[in-house]
Amino acid sequence: AQSVTQLGSHVSVSEGALVLLRCNYSSSVPPYLFWYVQYPNQGLQLLLKYTSAATLVKGINGFEAEFKKSETSFHLTKPSAHMSDAAEYFCAVSDPGGGSYIPTFGRGTSLIVHP
Amino acid sequence: NAGVTQTPKFRILKIGQSMTLQCTQDMNHNYMYWYRQDPGMGLKLIYYSVGAGITDKGEVPNGYNVSRSTTEDFPLRLELAAPSQTSVYFCASLPDSGEYGYTFGSGTRLTVV
Repeated sequence: AQSVTQLGSHVSVSEGALVLLRCNYSSSVPPYLFWYVQYPNQGLQLLLKYTSAATLVKGINGFEAEFKKSETSFHLTKPSAHMSDAAEYFCAVSDPGGGSYIPTFGRGTSLIVHP
Repeated sequence: NAGVTQTPKFRILKIGQSMTLQCTQDMNHNYMYWYRQDPGMGLKLIYYSVGAGITDKGEVPNGYNVSRSTTEDFPLRLELAAPSQTSVYFCASLPDSGEYGYTFGSGTRLTVV
């Protein structure tokens, strides 16, 4: 069984400030981990993924995430927030050996960026 | 390359009506999925398919049906629409490995009145 917890349904930052969105997971096997972004009235878009290679993963739009096995975490960061980063962010975990590859999604964190 | 295409984008149904949400992908992906998204509740899996002719239930299948006659198409059928089915519906697809992550469609916003 696997689960995902995203701490904070809303995170508010000022433009230019550090963005930190938290994701903790539980999995009985080494997982695949994903972050997706959803802009208003759009579908989800893959931001970045961890699939057992480098633990620090870089994604689109300046985002990165670090896989920390000891902490069972995959937090998403960006050094400097931009107004265009305002969106809903979803963390997801899946079992690499799962035949249907169905991930478990967190409930999402809404990122609010103030001018 | 269109990716995953969903139609319609918006629809209002009356209680008891039926409709089909269309989903087509042009990436030759075998795995396809239907989710519904409700505010603050994340994504809930309705049905999925691992290839043409093979479908299976997800977490919330009641009130829905699917078929998969071709690799490209995975329509979702709502029979006897109810207000509880008011939601945003997303279709997603995956190549033959979970490491790539989903490609999502842009969604269908359905309101049942």
